[in-house]
Amino acid sequence: EDKVVQSPLSLVVHEGDTVTLNCSYEVTNFRSLLWYKQEKKAPTFLFMLTSSGIEKKSGRLSSILDKKELFSILNITATQTGDSAIYLCAVGTGTASKLTFGTGTRLQVTL
Amino acid sequence: NAGVTQTPKFQVLKTGQSMTLQCAQDMNHEYMSWYRQDPGMGLRLIHYSVGAGITDQGEVPNGYNVSRSTTEDFPLRLLSAAPSQTSVYFCASSETGIYSGANVLTFGAGSRLTVL
Repeated sequence: EDKVVQSPLSLVVHEGDTVTLNCSYEVTNFRSLLWYKQEKKAPTFLFMLTSSGIEKKSGRLSSILDKKELFSILNITATQTGDSAIYLCAVGTGTASKLTFGTGTRLQVTL
Repeated sequence: NAGVTQTPKFQVLKTGQSMTLQCAQDMNHEYMSWYRQDPGMGLRLIHYSVGAGITDQGEVPNGYNVSRSTTEDFPLRLLSAAPSQTSVYFCASSETGIYSGANVLTFGAGSRLTVL
């Protein structure tokens, strides 16, 4: 059975802090790892990683994948209150676009 | 461009009632899927489809039926609602294929279902 584990489950930080969210996985036929941000409604896509060691970056957010150790991290620097959300990690397997999701990390950024 | 449209947004049912959650996408995506989201459980796959006429079970299919008669539509049917089916349901779609972008799901806004 495919498994995706995220840590920590929740996190409270002050505005301006840097946070690191973790995602480890055990799946068969790995194809890609994706990060999503979920605020009040639907998850929105952040990054997709398929190759080890190549950092994806978008503004203050960045992510990297280690396919040997089977994990990924999502970094957020200089956090803002608008970063408060649930961050979901998902792993795609096979050719059917199926994603297995972790339980998510709930991030709260306070003033 | 509407993307993925789900209806209704909210629904309250009594135990034993049946209903259909509608999902439509206008991106010509071959792959469509239904997830449910419960506190502490993340998103769990109910059913999915890789094209018209083809459906398959996900992780938690019991109590749900799907069909895919067109590329655009993928309704989810609750046959006899139970309180355990109280959840937020998301429909999602993507392209298919072996290139890396095929795994990027686009989600609908969600349907919150309460079963009393």
